[in-house]
Amino acid sequence: DTEVTQTPKHLVMGMTNKKSLKCEQHMGHRAMYWYKQKAKKPPELMFVYSYEKLSINESVPSRFSPECPNSSLLNLHLHALQPEDSALYLCASSARDWNEQFFGPGTRLTVL
Amino acid sequence: GIQVEQSPPDLILQEGANSTLRCNFSDSVNNLQWFHQNPWGQLINLFYIPSGTKQNGRLSATTVATERYSLLYISSSQTTDSGVYFCAVSAASGGSYIPTFGRGTSLIVHP
Repeated sequence: DTEVTQTPKHLVMGMTNKKSLKCEQHMGHRAMYWYKQKAKKPPELMFVYSYEKLSINESVPSRFSPECPNSSLLNLHLHALQPEDSALYLCASSARDWNEQFFGPGTRLTVL
Repeated sequence: GIQVEQSPPDLILQEGANSTLRCNFSDSVNNLQWFHQNPWGQLINLFYIPSGTKQNGRLSATTVATERYSLLYISSSQTTDSGVYFCAVSAASGGSYIPTFGRGTSLIVHP
C-alpha cells in the first residue's frame, strides 16, 4: 500500500470555527509532513514530524497546530483562521527524513 | 538556502509531441524528485532521482548532480500529461534537510 489518505477533501469554515485535517499512511514511514499550497504556487513546507516528534516548524502561525498521535497518523488543528489561509493543504510521508516523499490528495480549505 | 529554477515556465504541445523540462539547482543536493500535479491537485511521484537516469514508460529523467541540473523527458505526449511538473530538491543545511520546490512547468497538451 503506497497510499497517503487525507480527510476531508474539501472544508469550508468560518474565522471563529475550530476544525481538524487528518492524514494517514500505512507504509511504515517514520517522517510525515504538512505543506500549504496557494493557487499557481509551489507547495510550501509547514511542519515535519520525525519518529512522532515535531522536528521542523517553518515559522507557522499558532492558529495552525499539528499533532502526531502515532506513526501512521498526522493531524492539523485549525482555529481562528483568516481568509488568506484558504489554500490546498497537502500531507506527505517518507520512510525517513527527506527520503522519497509520497503525497496525499490534499484538503481544499476555504475560510470565509 | 538552495535555489531551484525550472524551465520553461509554460509549455503548450500538440498530442504526440516530445518535450524536455529542465531543473537547475544552486548547490549540492541529497535528494531530487519530479512530480506531476494533476488538475485536481494531486502530486504524483514521477521519479526519485538524486543522480543518474531512470525511465518509466514514455517518461524518463536524468540528473547530473555534478553540474546541478536534472531533465525530465516526455515522449509522445498525451492530453492526460497536462498539469504542472515540479522539481523538488533537498540539501543538508545546518543539519536538517529542507525540501525546496521549483516554481513548476505548466504543461498543456492539446488533442
